[in-house]
Amino acid sequence: DTGVSQNPRHKITKRGQNVTFRCDPISEHNRLYWYRQTLGQGPEFLTYFQNEAQLEKSRLLSDRFSAERPKGSFSTLEIQRTEQGDSAMYLCASSRVYEQYFGPGTRLTVT
Amino acid sequence: AQSVTQLDSQVPVFEEAPVELRCNYSSSVSVYLFWYVQYPNQGLQLLLKYLSGSTLVKGINGFEAEFNKSQTSFHLRKPSVHISDTAEYFCAVFYGGSQGNLIFGKGTKLSVKP
Repeated sequence: DTGVSQNPRHKITKRGQNVTFRCDPISEHNRLYWYRQTLGQGPEFLTYFQNEAQLEKSRLLSDRFSAERPKGSFSTLEIQRTEQGDSAMYLCASSRVYEQYFGPGTRLTVT
Repeated sequence: AQSVTQLDSQVPVFEEAPVELRCNYSSSVSVYLFWYVQYPNQGLQLLLKYLSGSTLVKGINGFEAEFNKSQTSFHLRKPSVHISDTAEYFCAVFYGGSQGNLIFGKGTKLSVKP
């Protein structure tokens, strides 16, 4: 296993700009998750894919957020018109069933 | 509502002392339980898991945890900690019947002092 990878590791953007993050899961894992983690908190669920199908979205995922997983491989998370409240660590995880393995995260800072 | 409570936000301990990090979860018929460790500016690493079977589970780095269904707890323990164990620890629960996302506690910062 090469592990879950995420790019970029850090992103600084100005309020109102769009940003896109990429996650490459462990190759044989068909399930992929996005979480958001703010300072002093545990990760909070955003959305979940099984293969290419997006099966669940949290109420945290406002209409400015969109996620895709074309062909059931890598996934992208896009945030449009970023706000300062979007500053957080965005974590991606993948699994076969219950055990989720996390990537290193993308830290987003909105100025 | 499904929730996970980590009772201590910070735990300071001296090197080579034992430690217990506490985790309680809201009751459900079916749960799968996990502990993760997070070092600064890194992702989460799976320490150990309870899926079924023996209620005492062993993980990496000498950690173990005990699933107690009646008390809805899954406390993490280590008999002798090292400086390198300084990190934040998260308890997470997968509730059966959900789509698959984990519910996390707020984390416990373990600080090991020489």
